[in-house]
Amino acid sequence: AQSVTQPDIHITVSEGASLELRCNYSYGATPYLFWYVQSPGQGLQLLLKYFSGDTLVQGIKGFEAEFKRSQSSFNLRKPSVHWSDAAEYFCAVGARGNNDMRFGAGTRLTVKP
Amino acid sequence: NAGVTQTPKFRILKIGQSMTLQCTQDMNHNYMYWYRQDPGMGLKLIYYSVGAGITDKGEVPNGYNVSRSTTEDFPLRLELAAPSQTSVYFCASSPYFSGANNEQFFGPGTRLTVL
Repeated sequence: AQSVTQPDIHITVSEGASLELRCNYSYGATPYLFWYVQSPGQGLQLLLKYFSGDTLVQGIKGFEAEFKRSQSSFNLRKPSVHWSDAAEYFCAVGARGNNDMRFGAGTRLTVKP
Repeated sequence: NAGVTQTPKFRILKIGQSMTLQCTQDMNHNYMYWYRQDPGMGLKLIYYSVGAGITDKGEVPNGYNVSRSTTEDFPLRLELAAPSQTSVYFCASSPYFSGANNEQFFGPGTRLTVL
């Protein structure tokens, strides 16, 4: 089965600084890849997704992610972080042809004023 | 359009008690899912359904049961609650035309504590 690893449990950045959250996946073919955000006490909301085509995908709230097949990575980036971006971020990988989506353990983002 | 709704928001159970977590979606999605979220562990799939009357096990189904009698509702049943079932439970749905591997829409979650 596919799997996903988020190496960073917790990241702190200053407001206005750039952000990169790491995601590495394991899957034998081209995967479906997703980034979700979870604000405190809320369910998960989709930020962006990759299925095929352009390897740089744009999402909501100014986020983008780049699919790198050679590195099995799908890192999430934002050029300038806002205090409202403080949340938990989950990378997920889905396999073509089955109903199984696997989530990473999440990265908690703290934004310093 | 309420999306995915879950009740209750919080619940404390004693060991051995049973309860049903309710989930309803009003988006006419065929696919529905139940996940549990444990600290530092991400989300684990418990059960899923591809349509009314059809359910299947996910990664961690033991101790749970589901049913899907309508498109809208997908309740999760805990028969004999155990401390290991203390977790946050999320229900999600996704549109049939994209298959199960497309965007999932999540409810706000139910926080369950078993003492």
